[in-house]
Amino acid sequence: EPEVTQTPSHQVTQMGQEVILRCVPISNHLYFYWYRQILGQKVEFLVSFYNNEISEKSEIFDDQFSVERPDGSNFTLKIRSTKLEDSAMYFCASTLWSNQPQHFGDGTRLSIL
Amino acid sequence: GQQVMQIPQYQHVQEGEDFTTYCNSSTTLSNIQWYKQRPGGHPVFLIQLVKSGEVKKQKRLTFQFGEAKKNSSLHITATQTTDVGTYFCAGVGDSNYQLIWGAGTKLIIKP
Repeated sequence: EPEVTQTPSHQVTQMGQEVILRCVPISNHLYFYWYRQILGQKVEFLVSFYNNEISEKSEIFDDQFSVERPDGSNFTLKIRSTKLEDSAMYFCASTLWSNQPQHFGDGTRLSIL
Repeated sequence: GQQVMQIPQYQHVQEGEDFTTYCNSSTTLSNIQWYKQRPGGHPVFLIQLVKSGEVKKQKRLTFQFGEAKKNSSLHITATQTTDVGTYFCAGVGDSNYQLIWGAGTKLIIKP
């Protein structure tokens, strides 16, 4: 079965540095998402992306965050000037159409020191 | 903004007992989805409910969507150790496509 893949599985970064989290969605999917889950807490929506632009974003997704689809397969989340509170698991997901069940990657655990 | 409340936060059961988690939305939903997250894992889609009053079953799991399309429940009959994990509901509002997640209910099997 096709999978969403995320790299790296764990990223450790100094506070203030920039990080890029990478995702390869399922190949024929059109909608892409990033979520954040702080340890033991709920899954929080960050942003959705369709047709090479952001379709929706949450209050969490401020100017510190950006997303990009640099080529036909990758979907990246960039976090500028990381803060301690950015430490969390970041999940990428994709769907063929909006409003459909989402397929999640295994996540990237981001640790800010 | 739209919110989805999910209770309880935790439920401890003996193996073989039943488990139920409830979700309530502040607004009408176009659909509601249920996901299971095993410890250390990622959310895995279980089911989607679309119609008012809809009931769907997957073996020992029964999912319901309320008549007003603002609440939903998941009931597991005779829990097994493989059921351990956190169950999340996630609703899609009528006016946008953003999936709003409940806080999850963690199913814990007592030793």
